[in-house]
Amino acid sequence: DAGVIQSPRHEVTEMGQEVTLRCKPISGHNSLFWYRQTMMRGLELLIYFNNNVPIDDSGMPEDRFSAKMPNASFSTLKIQPSEPRDSAVYFCASSLLADSTSNQPQHFGDGTRLSIL
Amino acid sequence: GNSVTQMEGPVTLSEEAFLTINCTYTATGYPSLFWYVQYPGEGLQLLLKATKADDKGSNKGFEATYRKETTSFHLEKGSVQVSDSAVYFCAHGFYFGSGTKLNVKP
Repeated sequence: DAGVIQSPRHEVTEMGQEVTLRCKPISGHNSLFWYRQTMMRGLELLIYFNNNVPIDDSGMPEDRFSAKMPNASFSTLKIQPSEPRDSAVYFCASSLLADSTSNQPQHFGDGTRLSIL
Repeated sequence: GNSVTQMEGPVTLSEEAFLTINCTYTATGYPSLFWYVQYPGEGLQLLLKATKADDKGSNKGFEATYRKETTSFHLEKGSVQVSDSAVYFCAHGFYFGSGTKLNVKP
């Protein structure tokens, strides 16, 4: 079975550039999550979608970050302009329909390791 | 509010030692509880889950019991192996603990 697929696996770019991270969730999953993982802050939920609709984006750090889910099989997380402090591993995860008390486990991709120079 | 607190790492054990990683939570209602494991360079994988009070989740020799009275979900394994070295996350819904790194030495 195909799991959650993220691309690219690694991205190195200079500050000020636009960065686009991509995610393909597991087919049939209705919920999609974007997380950021750093040593200092651990795993942070940035935003999640149910049925392609953003439900909670309170974790998005600032206006430089945006996320879209144009259809059930694709989502993007965009950073524009990028800054060195955005360097982190970004994970996408999907699950059957979720809320904060959901009993549905999340399935994670292998992440995108982003380095902003 | 909702949160998950787990013990600070790293935890270093010798092979075949007993493992406990503590986890407590705060939640509105009675959510399902999860343990995830993350190996280097990979995403988190579900290790086990429990959906209601007194349920015991188990997988690959790991166990955790949903304790409503102490709001805890401690992870245990009777005899760890070098291959268990990883970072372990306790979670409910999309609230995750900070992760506990386990190092098992041969």
